[in-house]
Amino acid sequence: AQKVTQAQTEISVVEKEDVTLDCVYETRDTTYYLFWYKQPPSGELVFLIRRNSFDEQNEISGRYSWNFQKSTSSFNFTITASQVVDSAVYFCALSEAEGNAGNMLTFGGGTRLMVKP
Amino acid sequence: DTEVTQTPKHLVMGMTNKKSLKCEQHMGHRAMYWYKQKAKKPPELMFVYSYEKLSINESVPSRFSPECPNSSLLNLHLHALQPEDSALYLCASSQEELAGGPAYQETQYFGPGTRLLVL
Repeated sequence: AQKVTQAQTEISVVEKEDVTLDCVYETRDTTYYLFWYKQPPSGELVFLIRRNSFDEQNEISGRYSWNFQKSTSSFNFTITASQVVDSAVYFCALSEAEGNAGNMLTFGGGTRLMVKP
Repeated sequence: DTEVTQTPKHLVMGMTNKKSLKCEQHMGHRAMYWYKQKAKKPPELMFVYSYEKLSINESVPSRFSPECPNSSLLNLHLHALQPEDSALYLCASSQEELAGGPAYQETQYFGPGTRLLVL
């Protein structure tokens, strides 16, 4: 069975600090997809990134970067020069390709990031 | 445009009321989802519709009744709810592969949610 673990429940940083949110996953499938979503206080889950299991290339998008390492089953998310607007709950999620009727997502427990001015 | 809209934003209802939550998307997605999210918890899947047919019901009590009138709309009818049903209800949509297609998981795009309080 699949599982996603976000060990950090809350992180507090001061503006302009770099911060890394950890995500570790478990799956028996060889083909799977990993996602990060941001949930600000307004409630909407905002899609940030999707990565498939065959693409281990790290990705950078502005201040955001993602480090996917299959060897350690991790998909970590780094925010560089954090800003107050980055304050939110961040969810890592896994979707298995094989036998996954309905495109189901398994979410981690979420990490609440608080960026103080 | 990756927009999913939900109405109402907030809803307060008594345990004897009947109300409906609405979700709409115009991205041409053929899969739509209802999730329930309690405070400080991740979203929990309730229902999945694929090509307007209910494909997954995650053992949700019958007081929640989903409906997909067409490919753009998804409703959740509420009746005789309990206070523990108070939560954020999120709708999502995604592309959907036809049966027999390659195993390819599409990205789900979420709406802003409806905050439900049952008194």
